[in-house]
Amino acid sequence: DAMVIQNPRYQVTQFGKPVTLSCSQTLNHNVMYWYQQKSSQAPKLLFHYYDKDFNNEADTPDNFQSRRPNTSFCFLDIRSPGLGDAAMYLCATSRTGTGNQPQHFGDGTRLSIL
Amino acid sequence: RKEVEQDPGPFNVPEGATVAFNCTYSNSASQSFFWYRQDCRKEPKLLMSVYSSGNEDGRFTAQLNRASQYISLLIRDSKLSDSATYLCVVNRNNAGNMLTFGGGTRLMVKP
Repeated sequence: DAMVIQNPRYQVTQFGKPVTLSCSQTLNHNVMYWYQQKSSQAPKLLFHYYDKDFNNEADTPDNFQSRRPNTSFCFLDIRSPGLGDAAMYLCATSRTGTGNQPQHFGDGTRLSIL
Repeated sequence: RKEVEQDPGPFNVPEGATVAFNCTYSNSASQSFFWYRQDCRKEPKLLMSVYSSGNEDGRFTAQLNRASQYISLLIRDSKLSDSATYLCVVNRNNAGNMLTFGGGTRLMVKP
């Protein structure tokens, strides 16, 4: 059974039209992460939540925001998507924030911009 | 210099072959290391953690060389189903669980 669930699997939006991607987890993990992965590139961390504490990566554009209303759900909001934001967006969780915890990924949402 | 560097490949090997990938990392403070596998257009999945003493899981053996800051993955008796991209992953430091991914090494196992 899927433990990190991302919806939708595929999302198409228009240039400049706000879009929200969702992630839910049944693992009761403390930490949730959002990554952006472009074709043939490594996943790049955008930000993460440790419980309710939000931690933004220094080079994440302001266009990207996140919300975590409860332990199970985390959302990625792209306020004004540009063509360069077309990518796979991956949500991951880990039980704690210590270094030896592997991260568990959802199936990803592939975002296309028209 | 990238934080985690891998040869992108592709490595084309016949079934049954042994293949090895190396990965180098730049942050000497890193304490945790992993190999993830990613199939085309799918999410990364944890293959194995890498321990200081080296560890084995079936046909897969991972080793860590802290002095030289490199990690290796050895796959024995390659199967067609091993075809995938293998991501070397390093945590930035042991104070948190922020992971840095290498660009991946693509493996193609041919009949």
